[in-house]
Amino acid sequence: AQTVTQSQPEMSVQEAETVTLSCTYDTSESDYYLFWYKQPPSRQMILVIRQEAYKQQNATENRFSVNFQKAAKSFSLKISDSQLGDAAMYFCAYFRNQFYFGTGTSLTVIP
Amino acid sequence: GAVVSQHPSWVICKSGTSVKIECRSLDFQATTMFWYRQFPKQSLMLMATSNEGSKATYEQGVEKDKFLINHASLTLSTLTVTSAHPEDSSFYICSARETTGYEGETQYFGPGTRLLVL
Repeated sequence: AQTVTQSQPEMSVQEAETVTLSCTYDTSESDYYLFWYKQPPSRQMILVIRQEAYKQQNATENRFSVNFQKAAKSFSLKISDSQLGDAAMYFCAYFRNQFYFGTGTSLTVIP
Repeated sequence: GAVVSQHPSWVICKSGTSVKIECRSLDFQATTMFWYRQFPKQSLMLMATSNEGSKATYEQGVEKDKFLINHASLTLSTLTVTSAHPEDSSFYICSARETTGYEGETQYFGPGTRLLVL
């Protein structure tokens, strides 16, 4: 089975600052998808950003961007200009036929 | 974006009873739906993959006779927890895979169902 590792159980960031969440994964496949999901206290999973493995260009969605290093099997999420509403649990996920989730990083935004 | 609903959002039941949870894709067709279980402060654990018109595929360690899954249509999958016990108390989440996807993979998650077995 594929494994996804998030080595930071908790992170904090000052409002308006930038924070990077780490994620590494293990796979022998060349075609797959990578995701970052946000889970606020409501527990609704919200898609933050998606990256197709065959694309070399890093995905960007407004204040959210990724640093995708395929050879290193690394997929970090950068949140710029952090806002209070960004506080949540963030899950990195690998997808090929099914999702494999990391253990999550709890992000606190300090006013 | 596409919407997936789950019903009920909250359920409390007595030990030994059965509980059915519905997962619906509201504005798209989903040949595949996934059921997850999430314990507090933990990640999502895949329980089973539900394919419309065929038997579900269960992950190792998940009792298929206890967690009955039916995917009767392209917009509805149900998870029935049979003879529920307190250890079945958890947060159950479904996701639906859009059949006519664009270039890539898209799945949408339901809001989850909190089950408490007394």
